[in-house]
Amino acid sequence: RKEVEQDPGPFNVPEGATVAFNCTYSNSASQSFFWYRQDCRKEPKLLMSVYSSGNEDGRFTAQLNRASQYISLLIRDSKLSDSATYLCVVNTDKLIFGTGTRLQVFP
Amino acid sequence: DTGVSQDPRHKITKRGQNVTFRCDPISEHNRLYWYRQTLGQGPEFLTYFQNEAQLEKSRLLSDRFSAERPKGSFSTLEIQRTEQGDSAMYLCASSWQGAAEAFFGQGTRLTVV
Repeated sequence: RKEVEQDPGPFNVPEGATVAFNCTYSNSASQSFFWYRQDCRKEPKLLMSVYSSGNEDGRFTAQLNRASQYISLLIRDSKLSDSATYLCVVNTDKLIFGTGTRLQVFP
Repeated sequence: DTGVSQDPRHKITKRGQNVTFRCDPISEHNRLYWYRQTLGQGPEFLTYFQNEAQLEKSRLLSDRFSAERPKGSFSTLEIQRTEQGDSAMYLCASSWQGAAEAFFGQGTRLTVV
């Protein structure tokens, strides 16, 4: 079983749609959590950290459920520019990445 | 540019040759990570350093792979006797302390022919 599991997608959604990505992790001692975004043939870049209380950054909302070892990312009002791969990342003193979920937003 | 830099950006080598990649992290970062990424997969952990100490090396990594960070600044990743299966993007990242976000370099794309 992989340490961090994500649905690889792709998720194909129209502009303006709301889309949610899920991620589960196996190490209950994980310390911190992130969502990274990776554009095609580019390096991953931090999208947002994920806190137990849930956090929001504009159209993006991240949630963490430590009891269920589950992380989510919600994107509201999708834009064409949101098309990318979204990587769930768990810090167990080293950063472990999920496979990534590919999002394609169409006009 | 004060970001993470990697050199070279691209490397084509013949099977059986040795290759070495370099990573210069953000200067105040004490953590440095190496990852490998193939098409359609997320970055796969290879190894990481806290200053000059190598803290862990992935069990998936064969003895042909070695990494160093001799002075706690830049790092090198060497692959000996390259195989076609080594073809991938090799990514370096750095962070300040373990729990912080990591910043990635643009990667070194290795092609073994």
